[in-house]
Amino acid sequence: KAGVTQTPRYLIKTRGQQVTLSCSPISGHRSVSWYQQTPGQGLQFLFEYFSETQRNKGNFPGRFSGRQFSNSRSEMNVSTLELGDSALYLCASSLWDPADTGELFFGEGSRLTVL
Amino acid sequence: KNQVEQSPQSLIILEGKNCTLQCNYTVSPFSNLRWYKQDTGRGPVSLTIMTFSENTKSNGRYTATLDADTKQSSLHITASQLSDSASYICVVSAYSGGGADGLTFGKGTHLIIQP
Repeated sequence: KAGVTQTPRYLIKTRGQQVTLSCSPISGHRSVSWYQQTPGQGLQFLFEYFSETQRNKGNFPGRFSGRQFSNSRSEMNVSTLELGDSALYLCASSLWDPADTGELFFGEGSRLTVL
Repeated sequence: KNQVEQSPQSLIILEGKNCTLQCNYTVSPFSNLRWYKQDTGRGPVSLTIMTFSENTKSNGRYTATLDADTKQSSLHITASQLSDSASYICVVSAYSGGGADGLTFGKGTHLIIQP
């Protein structure tokens, strides 16, 4: 079956602009979570969506937002971009089933460069 | 505070040699521990998931061990290949079934295999 699809793979923006990233989860997966990854910081949790509702949010400013649609596809938006927002943004989907391990399946990521 | 510490931060070994990566955690409660492999610029891919009752799990040349008493895990790579060059991330889950808020990520070990 198809994996997690993230678009775009690469993008370059300038400070002050905004960006929207998209994530299509594995078919049947209802949970989508987003992460920011920068060198030396590892994966940092942004937010998680389940059935179109934000379940959890990490410690990021309000410039970072997201949403999930009825087909489980998710988008995240970053407004008023700063140089420090340059990172690899990863999306992961999971089954969200108490009987499951909750294994995450990651997409290939969207590499954002802010100039 | 839940923490996952990985060592070493980086490691260089010759092709064909074995190596062991370490993961120590202070996460409570504990549901499962996962090892992911992340190639440069790509999304992480799951190698193994171990629950409390499992102390060894293999995936090809990768063998993970878990000591839930000492809260330590290791990932052993046998007969390393150039394609093993990647970052290896240890992730501990506090809950079964999902929920990114229950995940604690290590910062990873960057492994380089030299020919």
